[in-house]
Amino acid sequence: DAKTTQPTSMDCAEGRAANLPCNHSTISGNEYVYWYRQIHSQGPQYIIHGLKNNETNEMASLIITEDRKSSTLILPHATLRDTAVYYCIVRASNTGFQKLVFGTGTRLLVSP
Amino acid sequence: NAGVMQNPRHLVRRRGQEARLRCSPMKGHSHVYWYRQLPEEGLKFMVYLQKENIIDESGMPKERFSAEFPKEGPSILRIQQVVRGDSAAYFCASSSGQGGISEAFFGQGTRLTVV
Repeated sequence: DAKTTQPTSMDCAEGRAANLPCNHSTISGNEYVYWYRQIHSQGPQYIIHGLKNNETNEMASLIITEDRKSSTLILPHATLRDTAVYYCIVRASNTGFQKLVFGTGTRLLVSP
Repeated sequence: NAGVMQNPRHLVRRRGQEARLRCSPMKGHSHVYWYRQLPEEGLKFMVYLQKENIIDESGMPKERFSAEFPKEGPSILRIQQVVRGDSAAYFCASSSGQGGISEAFFGQGTRLTVV
Protein backbone atom coordinates (compact mmCIF):
# COMPACT_ATOMS: atom_id res chain seq x y z
CA ASP A 1 0.00 0.00 0.00
CA ALA A 2 1.11 3.54 -0.72
CA LYS A 3 2.67 5.56 2.06
CA THR A 4 0.89 8.69 3.29
CA THR A 5 2.28 11.87 4.80
CA GLN A 6 0.28 14.07 7.15
CA PRO A 7 1.14 17.06 9.33
CA THR A 8 1.79 16.06 12.91
CA SER A 9 -0.69 18.47 14.42
CA MET A 10 -3.20 21.17 13.56
CA ASP A 11 -5.33 23.62 15.48
CA CYS A 12 -8.80 24.80 14.59
CA ALA A 13 -11.26 27.19 16.20
CA GLU A 14 -14.65 25.79 17.13
CA GLY A 15 -17.21 26.45 14.41
CA ARG A 16 -14.62 26.92 11.69
CA ALA A 17 -13.79 24.47 8.95
CA ALA A 18 -10.93 22.08 9.61
CA ASN A 19 -8.96 21.15 6.50
CA LEU A 20 -6.66 18.18 7.03
CA PRO A 21 -4.23 17.49 4.18
CA CYS A 22 -2.73 14.16 3.20
CA ASN A 23 -0.02 13.43 0.66
CA HIS A 24 -0.07 10.05 -1.09
CA SER A 25 2.12 10.69 -4.10
CA THR A 26 2.83 7.00 -4.76
CA ILE A 27 -0.81 5.91 -4.79
CA SER A 28 -1.73 3.28 -7.36
CA GLY A 29 -4.72 3.33 -9.67
CA ASN A 30 -6.66 0.75 -7.67
CA GLU A 31 -6.02 2.26 -4.25
CA TYR A 32 -8.72 4.06 -2.30
CA VAL A 33 -8.11 6.84 0.20
CA TYR A 34 -9.69 6.20 3.62
CA TRP A 35 -9.93 8.50 6.60
CA TYR A 36 -10.35 7.31 10.17
CA ARG A 37 -10.08 9.16 13.44
CA GLN A 38 -9.31 8.05 16.96
CA ILE A 39 -10.72 10.07 19.81
CA HIS A 40 -8.55 9.71 22.91
CA SER A 41 -8.13 5.95 23.34
CA GLN A 42 -11.36 4.84 21.70
CA GLY A 43 -11.53 2.58 18.66
CA PRO A 44 -10.82 4.15 15.27
CA GLN A 45 -13.93 5.66 13.74
CA TYR A 46 -14.53 5.44 10.01
CA ILE A 47 -15.10 8.85 8.44
CA ILE A 48 -15.10 8.63 4.66
CA HIS A 49 -13.35 7.10 1.69
CA GLY A 50 -12.98 7.75 -2.02
CA LEU A 51 -11.21 6.70 -5.19
CA LYS A 52 -11.02 9.72 -7.51
CA ASN A 53 -14.20 11.72 -7.15
CA ASN A 54 -14.88 14.06 -4.28
CA GLU A 55 -17.09 12.52 -1.61
CA THR A 56 -19.35 13.95 1.06
CA ASN A 57 -21.27 12.39 3.91
CA GLU A 58 -22.81 13.57 7.14
CA MET A 59 -19.44 13.75 8.85
CA ALA A 60 -17.09 15.27 6.33
CA SER A 61 -16.04 15.94 2.75
CA LEU A 62 -13.12 14.37 0.96
CA ILE A 63 -11.42 16.31 -1.82
CA ILE A 64 -9.02 14.29 -3.98
CA THR A 65 -6.76 16.09 -6.44
CA GLU A 66 -7.06 15.22 -10.10
CA ASP A 67 -3.70 13.45 -10.12
CA ARG A 68 -4.73 11.63 -6.89
CA LYS A 69 -1.41 12.43 -5.27
CA SER A 70 -3.02 14.26 -2.38
CA SER A 71 -6.34 14.74 -0.65
CA THR A 72 -7.97 16.94 1.98
CA LEU A 73 -10.47 15.95 4.62
CA ILE A 74 -12.82 18.79 5.46
CA LEU A 75 -14.83 19.02 8.66
CA PRO A 76 -17.12 21.91 7.74
CA HIS A 77 -17.95 23.15 11.25
CA ALA A 78 -15.52 21.72 13.76
CA THR A 79 -16.71 21.11 17.31
CA LEU A 80 -14.77 20.34 20.46
CA ARG A 81 -15.74 16.69 20.04
CA ASP A 82 -13.80 16.58 16.77
CA THR A 83 -10.54 16.79 18.71
CA ALA A 84 -8.83 13.53 17.75
CA VAL A 85 -6.02 11.94 15.78
CA TYR A 86 -6.96 11.71 12.09
CA TYR A 87 -5.48 8.99 9.93
CA CYS A 88 -5.25 9.05 6.16
CA ILE A 89 -4.83 5.53 4.76
CA VAL A 90 -4.66 4.10 1.26
CA ARG A 91 -5.97 0.63 0.52
CA ALA A 92 -6.02 -1.41 -2.66
CA SER A 93 -9.53 -2.27 -3.81
CA ASN A 94 -8.70 -5.94 -4.28
CA THR A 95 -7.57 -6.53 -0.70
CA GLY A 96 -9.25 -6.68 2.65
CA PHE A 97 -8.65 -4.33 5.53
CA GLN A 98 -5.61 -6.17 6.74
CA LYS A 99 -2.36 -4.32 7.00
CA LEU A 100 -3.89 -0.86 7.08
CA VAL A 101 -0.98 1.48 7.84
CA PHE A 102 -2.21 3.97 10.41
CA GLY A 103 1.02 5.91 10.78
CA THR A 104 1.16 8.80 13.23
CA GLY A 105 -1.77 10.74 11.81
CA THR A 106 -2.64 14.40 12.46
CA ARG A 107 -3.57 15.48 15.96
CA LEU A 108 -6.39 17.98 15.51
CA LEU A 109 -7.09 20.23 18.47
CA VAL A 110 -10.35 22.15 18.30
CA SER A 111 -10.42 25.07 20.71
CA PRO A 112 -13.29 27.26 21.93
CA ASN B 1 -18.75 2.12 15.87
CA ALA B 2 -21.17 0.60 18.35
CA GLY B 3 -21.95 -2.22 15.93
CA VAL B 4 -18.69 -4.06 16.56
CA MET B 5 -18.77 -5.37 20.11
CA GLN B 6 -15.63 -6.25 22.02
CA ASN B 7 -15.42 -7.66 25.50
CA PRO B 8 -14.15 -7.30 28.00
CA ARG B 9 -13.30 -3.60 27.70
CA HIS B 10 -10.57 -3.95 30.31
CA LEU B 11 -8.68 -7.09 31.25
CA VAL B 12 -6.01 -7.52 33.88
CA ARG B 13 -3.90 -10.64 33.85
CA ARG B 14 -0.87 -11.76 35.84
CA ARG B 15 2.21 -12.84 33.96
CA GLY B 16 1.84 -16.41 32.76
CA GLN B 17 -1.97 -16.39 32.64
CA GLU B 18 -4.11 -16.64 29.53
CA ALA B 19 -6.04 -13.74 28.02
CA ARG B 20 -9.14 -14.27 25.88
CA LEU B 21 -10.48 -11.33 23.91
CA ARG B 22 -13.83 -11.53 22.16
CA CYS B 23 -15.15 -9.69 19.12
CA SER B 24 -18.65 -9.83 17.69
CA PRO B 25 -18.69 -8.25 14.23
CA MET B 26 -21.42 -6.02 12.90
CA LYS B 27 -24.51 -7.83 11.70
CA GLY B 28 -23.97 -9.15 8.21
CA HIS B 29 -20.18 -8.85 8.38
CA SER B 30 -18.14 -11.98 7.82
CA HIS B 31 -14.63 -10.46 7.73
CA VAL B 32 -12.84 -9.77 11.01
CA TYR B 33 -9.50 -8.07 11.59
CA TRP B 34 -7.50 -7.78 14.81
CA TYR B 35 -5.14 -4.89 15.43
CA ARG B 36 -2.94 -4.07 18.41
CA GLN B 37 -2.00 -0.62 19.66
CA LEU B 38 0.92 -0.28 22.03
CA PRO B 39 1.01 2.84 24.23
CA GLU B 40 1.77 5.98 22.21
CA GLU B 41 1.96 4.02 18.96
CA GLY B 42 -0.25 3.47 15.92
CA LEU B 43 -2.39 0.42 15.29
CA LYS B 44 -0.59 -2.62 13.92
CA PHE B 45 -2.33 -5.41 12.02
CA MET B 46 -2.30 -8.85 13.59
CA VAL B 47 -4.69 -11.24 11.85
CA TYR B 48 -7.52 -11.35 9.28
CA LEU B 49 -10.22 -14.00 9.51
CA GLN B 50 -13.36 -15.02 7.72
CA LYS B 51 -15.81 -17.51 9.14
CA GLU B 52 -13.81 -20.62 10.14
CA ASN B 53 -10.77 -19.52 8.15
CA ILE B 54 -7.61 -17.57 8.87
CA ILE B 55 -6.88 -15.54 5.78
CA ASP B 56 -3.76 -13.65 6.84
CA GLU B 57 -1.90 -13.99 10.14
CA SER B 58 1.30 -12.33 9.03
CA GLY B 59 1.12 -9.74 11.81
CA MET B 60 0.63 -12.18 14.63
CA PRO B 61 3.54 -13.30 16.84
CA LYS B 62 4.42 -16.90 16.07
CA GLU B 63 4.18 -18.07 19.65
CA ARG B 64 1.52 -17.69 22.34
CA PHE B 65 -0.98 -15.89 20.09
CA SER B 66 -3.88 -17.54 18.26
CA ALA B 67 -7.15 -16.43 16.74
CA GLU B 68 -10.32 -18.07 15.58
CA PHE B 69 -13.66 -17.09 14.08
CA PRO B 70 -15.99 -20.06 14.42
CA LYS B 71 -19.11 -20.65 12.39
CA GLU B 72 -21.18 -19.65 15.39
CA GLY B 73 -20.15 -17.09 17.95
CA PRO B 74 -17.61 -14.31 18.23
CA SER B 75 -14.05 -14.17 17.04
CA ILE B 76 -11.56 -14.96 19.80
CA LEU B 77 -8.01 -13.68 20.15
CA ARG B 78 -6.14 -15.84 22.67
CA ILE B 79 -2.86 -14.93 24.26
CA GLN B 80 -1.25 -17.68 26.30
CA GLN B 81 1.31 -17.12 29.05
CA VAL B 82 1.02 -13.35 28.87
CA VAL B 83 4.04 -11.15 29.47
CA ARG B 84 4.28 -7.45 30.36
CA GLY B 85 4.99 -6.58 26.73
CA ASP B 86 1.53 -7.85 25.76
CA SER B 87 -0.04 -4.90 27.60
CA ALA B 88 -1.81 -2.95 24.88
CA ALA B 89 -5.17 -2.05 23.40
CA TYR B 90 -6.50 -4.73 21.08
CA PHE B 91 -9.00 -3.59 18.47
CA CYS B 92 -11.23 -5.67 16.29
CA ALA B 93 -12.72 -4.46 13.01
CA SER B 94 -15.27 -6.02 10.70
CA SER B 95 -16.35 -5.54 7.12
CA SER B 96 -18.93 -7.05 4.84
CA GLY B 97 -16.41 -7.73 2.11
CA GLN B 98 -13.03 -6.77 0.85
CA GLY B 99 -14.03 -4.86 -2.24
CA GLY B 100 -13.30 -1.21 -2.75
CA ILE B 101 -16.75 0.03 -1.84
CA SER B 102 -16.80 -1.51 1.60
CA GLU B 103 -15.83 0.06 4.90
CA ALA B 104 -14.35 -1.50 7.99
CA PHE B 105 -15.72 -0.54 11.38
CA PHE B 106 -13.78 -0.87 14.61
CA GLY B 107 -14.90 -1.82 18.08
CA GLN B 108 -13.98 0.09 21.23
CA GLY B 109 -11.16 -2.25 22.02
CA THR B 110 -9.98 -4.39 24.92
CA ARG B 111 -7.29 -2.89 27.08
CA LEU B 112 -5.08 -5.63 28.38
CA THR B 113 -2.87 -4.93 31.36
CA VAL B 114 -0.36 -7.56 32.42
CA VAL B 115 0.85 -7.21 36.00
